[in-house]
Amino acid sequence: GQNIDQPTEMTATEGAIVQINCTYQTSGFNGLFWYQQHAGEAPTFLSYNVLDGLEEKGRFSSFLSRSKGYSYLLLKELQMKDSASYLCAVRLSGNTPLVFGKGTRLSVIA
Amino acid sequence: DTEVTQTPKHLVMGMTNKKSLKCEQHMGHRAMYWYKQKAKKPPELMFVYSYEKLSINESVPSRFSPECPNSSLLNLHLHALQPEDSALYLCASSQDSGNYGYTFGSGTRLTVV
Repeated sequence: GQNIDQPTEMTATEGAIVQINCTYQTSGFNGLFWYQQHAGEAPTFLSYNVLDGLEEKGRFSSFLSRSKGYSYLLLKELQMKDSASYLCAVRLSGNTPLVFGKGTRLSVIA
Repeated sequence: DTEVTQTPKHLVMGMTNKKSLKCEQHMGHRAMYWYKQKAKKPPELMFVYSYEKLSINESVPSRFSPECPNSSLLNLHLHALQPEDSALYLCASSQDSGNYGYTFGSGTRLTVV
């Protein structure tokens, strides 16, 4: 089976930096995605990595190491509105459906 | 148009009712998906349509019946559901290949009473 692990919950302070880790052990790999999901709403796309390294997009960055089966999402200058679940998802190959991790619930506190 | 539109946003139905969820996209995406999501859980794949043909059915009970009338529309027909089927039902679409993730609709919050 496919295994994608993320911490269940994290708490961080407004204005700080937080790193959400994701490790995966899958039968194939053709890209890793991060999504943000506020309670009761649809997931929204944050980032995509298929090659090793760091992808930066404003306050959000995502890193991938394929040899280690590891990714992280880095959120800088945290805001209260960043309180949400963050889903790591792996595409195994081609156009196969994404396999989602269980998600990390991030709480940003004042 | 860069959206996936789902209707209705909320639905309450009895266990003997028949209802349908609708999903529409006009981005030219050729793959469309139905996911089910329970509270505090990740989305679980139900069905995948590729080029209007059902390509994946994740062993979903027959009380859920998908339909893809054309490349822009995806329906999910519901009949004789159980209370445990109450969940957020998400539709998503993606291009048929390449480095593309999904665009999700806002979901239908379904309650079975």
